[in-house]
Amino acid sequence: DVQMTQSPSSLSAYVGDRVTITCRASQSVTINLNWYQQKPGAAPKVLIYGASTLQSGVPSRFSGSGSGTDFTLTISSLQPEDFAVYYCQQSHFTPRTFGQGTKVEIK
Amino acid sequence: QGQLVESGGGVVQPGRSLRLSCAASGFTFSSSGMHWVRQTPGRGLEWVAVIWYDGTEIYYADSVRGRFTISRDNSNNTLYLQMNSLRGDDTALYYCVREDRHTAAGKTLRWFDPWGQGTLVTVSS
Repeated sequence: DVQMTQSPSSLSAYVGDRVTITCRASQSVTINLNWYQQKPGAAPKVLIYGASTLQSGVPSRFSGSGSGTDFTLTISSLQPEDFAVYYCQQSHFTPRTFGQGTKVEIK
Repeated sequence: QGQLVESGGGVVQPGRSLRLSCAASGFTFSSSGMHWVRQTPGRGLEWVAVIWYDGTEIYYADSVRGRFTISRDNSNNTLYLQMNSLRGDDTALYYCVREDRHTAAGKTLRWFDPWGQGTLVTVSS
């Protein structure tokens, strides 16, 4: 199975900060890498698919990049509603696998 | 984008069975690959099983293969997960998810959307 490793596991940031989360796959997943946001008590919601395509309705402050094994999710200016847990997921291989999550907290 | 509503979760003793259902609406269910994903505080998000749009291909996580069965009824827009020989480590919130896809320039991208609200399965004596 492809292992997905996110870093950091958690971070604290101020509103307005630029935040970067990385995700590394144990083997190439080309651009089949997705990012999800999960808020307490809710199901995950897709933010970015195909490594860099913003899902309809997602604010443009979110962006994704990368290919192969190394990927990045960037929030250009953190907003109060962005405090949540973020997961990467590869959709190149079955089983689909997720990163362990990155919790973004208020500083 | 559609809606998924799971049901059937509950508290069950180890070794017993439970059947989860997922009612789909707002998208063409019969054209969609469907998955079950579970979540626990300790193991995070864990993929469980997938069934192709027409049911011709099915795959399971190693942890559930031989105990769980995924199936679908395209005439009623419903996905199922039959869980037998349940164990304590099957305790989780179970999500039904659609795998959306987009094809361009010969490449197909796939992602999970939408997700259901989840149904909680607790295996305990």
